[in-house]
Amino acid sequence: SQTIHQWPATLVQPVGSPLSLECTVEGTSNPNLYWYRQAAGRGLQLLFYSVGIGQISSEVPQNLSASRPQDRQFILSSKKLLLSDSGFYLCAWSTPHIVQGTEAFFGQGTRLTVV
Amino acid sequence: ELKVEQNPLFLSMQEGKNYTIYCNYSTTSDRLYWYRQDPGKSLESLFVLLSNGAVKQEGRLMASLDTKARLSTLHITAAVHDLSATYFCAGFAVNSNSGYALNFGKGTSLLVTP
Repeated sequence: SQTIHQWPATLVQPVGSPLSLECTVEGTSNPNLYWYRQAAGRGLQLLFYSVGIGQISSEVPQNLSASRPQDRQFILSSKKLLLSDSGFYLCAWSTPHIVQGTEAFFGQGTRLTVV
Repeated sequence: ELKVEQNPLFLSMQEGKNYTIYCNYSTTSDRLYWYRQDPGKSLESLFVLLSNGAVKQEGRLMASLDTKARLSTLHITAAVHDLSATYFCAGFAVNSNSGYALNFGKGTSLLVTP
């Protein structure tokens, strides 16, 4: 069966420090991968989307970046964190959308607090 | 881009009562999803609705999809405290830069009280 791992679960970082969040998927090949952010208040904002190694699309401009160095690995990074980067970050995977019945499955999330 | 609107955003209901959460979406989406989120936790998939008229039930929750009306509903029957959570609906659609991804509603925070 497929599983998704995301770490760390909790992170407190000072303003201006770098960030690296990692997500890996097991049990499937060539998944679509996503990073979402949920700020205080609940809404989920799509940050990045990837259909394959090295293929990253960004939905909104920000000081975050994403990389996909391996098929089942997705990394969210920042060179210098801002206070506004605080939130709950969720990694998700899905089969390609052409697959009937595809759905997205989420990792456990990383709660990031920038101080 | 797919816009997803849920209502109500907040719902307080007594145990044993019935209620419906509504999810309207702006453009054609060939599938609709419902997720549950407990406080501080990730999203758990509840239902995947793949076609017009689809109805799925799990325990006290029943979800339906009307693609012509661009409407999905999540009906709660005889609510119990364990159903207290935030419920999201979402649809896959093409976004401006990110290709095909899930767009979420703002969520409905449900509180079931004795």
